[in-house]
Order: sequence, then structure tokens, then C-alpha cells
Amino acid sequence: AQSVTQPDIHITVSEGASLELRCNYSYGATPYLFWYVQSPGQGLQLLLKYFSGDTLVQGIKGFEAEFKRSQSSFNLRKPSVHWSDAAEYFCAVGPGPLYNQGGKLIFGQGTELSVKP
Amino acid sequence: DTGVSQDPRHKITKRGQNVTFRCDPISEHNRLYWYRQTLGQGPEFLTYFQNEAQLEKSRLLSDRFSAERPKGSFSTLEIQRTEQGDSAMYLCASSLGQGRDEQFFGPGTRLTVL
Repeated sequence: AQSVTQPDIHITVSEGASLELRCNYSYGATPYLFWYVQSPGQGLQLLLKYFSGDTLVQGIKGFEAEFKRSQSSFNLRKPSVHWSDAAEYFCAVGPGPLYNQGGKLIFGQGTELSVKP
Repeated sequence: DTGVSQDPRHKITKRGQNVTFRCDPISEHNRLYWYRQTLGQGPEFLTYFQNEAQLEKSRLLSDRFSAERPKGSFSTLEIQRTEQGDSAMYLCASSLGQGRDEQFFGPGTRLTVL
């Protein structure tokens, strides 16, 4: 079955500290991978994406993620968190290169990030 | 590019009433998706369109739900005889629908069924 697991429902970090949000997936074929961020009451904003190639991808707002095929993981990192990063973060997978076109995304449950001053 | 827009942003209705939501995708995008998000959960796929054709529907989409995209531009999602369990955020996304596809999301419609 296709699924995405975000083991941490809620994480609290101090401003300026580093951050890592975990994401593991189960998918029948090589997927495309995404991280989205959602502020309260808002839609989803794409932070970064992995399609192929370099397994370390850079995104907006200073975020990066590393794809590890052997671990079926796509963890999100940021070296120094800002108070404005407080939000909910979702990892998602979609049909990869074996499919001709894009398709539905499967999302994890999300990780809520709180930032302490 | 004004992004994906959704209307209304909030809807409160009584159980048993019908509601309709509208989504306007990014203008050159061929694919349009509907997702539902309940509190504390990630979005769940409901259905998607390639132009005006509805290509896939989730089992979550009961007979009370219907979606259309009549001219391959905007889309509507109708829920008939609403139930309290329909209370959720309904998200629309659009994409080019080719190659390395990425979906852009609208702000969502928050539905509350009393």
C-alpha cells in the first residue's frame, strides 16, 4: 500500500536551533517527493521537491531535504529556525518517472512545528 | 499569475443541505485536483480532472459528492445532503499535468456542518 509516515506529530525547537523533520514513504515505484508548509487556516505552499538527480535538494526559506532511497526517507532540514517557521509541515509522494503524467499526491499526517523564542 | 482561487473561503450549513464550492485553477494548468483535509490530518485525495475529463475518483467520494469541470477551466464540487462528517477543509490544486508535475494549492474552503 502507498503511504507516507511522519513519525513526529509535534516538534518544538528554539529559535536559531537546527531542525530535522522526518518522512518515510512506502510506494510501488520510484516516486516524486515533496514537502509543503501550511500556516493556520491557509492552503499549502510548496517548500521543495525531488524528481531525480542530486539527492540533496534545496528549497525556499532556507530549507533542504535529502532523499535516501535505501531508507525510503525524505527528511526536511533547516540549519537555523526562525520564529516565522512555526507552521505545519507535510511530506507528500506522487507518481514518479514510470508514469507518463502527474497524478494524485499522498500526504503524511503532518508535523506541527513550534518555535520557542 | 494570480494562483489558485477558491470560493467561498468559509461555509457553514445545516445537516441535510446541499453546498457547492468553486475552484479557479492557474490559467494554463490542465490538471485540477480536489483534496479534503480534516483537523490534524494531511490532505486526502478526492478526485482530479485532465481538462474537462474526470480521470480518477477516490473511494472517499461517496454518491453524495459530485465534481465537474465543464469547460476545462474552473471546477465545482457539490455535496448533497451534508452530514456532520463532511466538515473539513476542501482544497483545490492545479498543475500542468506533464513531466515533472507539481501541484499548486488554493487557500481552501472550510466547511462546517451543524
